[in-house]
Amino acid sequence: GAVVSQHPSWVICKSGTSVKIECRSLDFQATTMFWYRQFPKQSLMLMATSNEGSKATYEQGVEKDKFLINHASLTLSTLTVTSAHPEDSSFYICSARDRDTFSYEQYFGPGTRLTVT
Amino acid sequence: KQEVTQIPAALSVPEGENLVLNCSFTDSAIYNLQWFRQDPGKGLTSLLLIQSSQREQTSGRLNASLDKSSGRSTLYIAASQPGDSATYLCAVEKTSYDKVIFGPGTSLSVIP
Repeated sequence: GAVVSQHPSWVICKSGTSVKIECRSLDFQATTMFWYRQFPKQSLMLMATSNEGSKATYEQGVEKDKFLINHASLTLSTLTVTSAHPEDSSFYICSARDRDTFSYEQYFGPGTRLTVT
Repeated sequence: KQEVTQIPAALSVPEGENLVLNCSFTDSAIYNLQWFRQDPGKGLTSLLLIQSSQREQTSGRLNASLDKSSGRSTLYIAASQPGDSATYLCAVEKTSYDKVIFGPGTSLSVIP
């Protein structure tokens, strides 16, 4: 089955630093990937849609200059949290679609837990 | 704007019981609906996906139904086990290649 990986699985950083999270589709190509955020005891909220070769589309209320998304290839999207603050501590999950099949199911990564101290 | 709700928010049952989790959505024009399981601190496990043209899907002890016209889906778990304890999320997608809107989840605890 289709597999999406994320790296790192968890990261602790100091306030003011930047953190990069990778999302990879391992056995399929994805023109579109999605980034979600989940705060404790809350559901997943979409942050942005990452499109290969073009700019990401951000949801209302998400700062595009703070959460930089790069979808440089058909198998990799990165989310960089710039100048991280404790309120950015959250669980970040990405998902991807297989562009070459008729299955429009989104495949989710295992998530990255970010803690900003 | 699509909104997804889930009832109940939390549920505790003794092992062996059959149970039903409910999901409602406000816009019936959906492409598909998916049920996920999430263990504490973990990612998502896809359980069942129902296309808009389908009425139900089954996998083992799980059965999910979809009634688009009423904006409802139910997840039926038969003969519950302690290993079923987790948060169950439903999510809807309006069109292909569109974003997925998640419900708040139902936290299930199955007591041995």
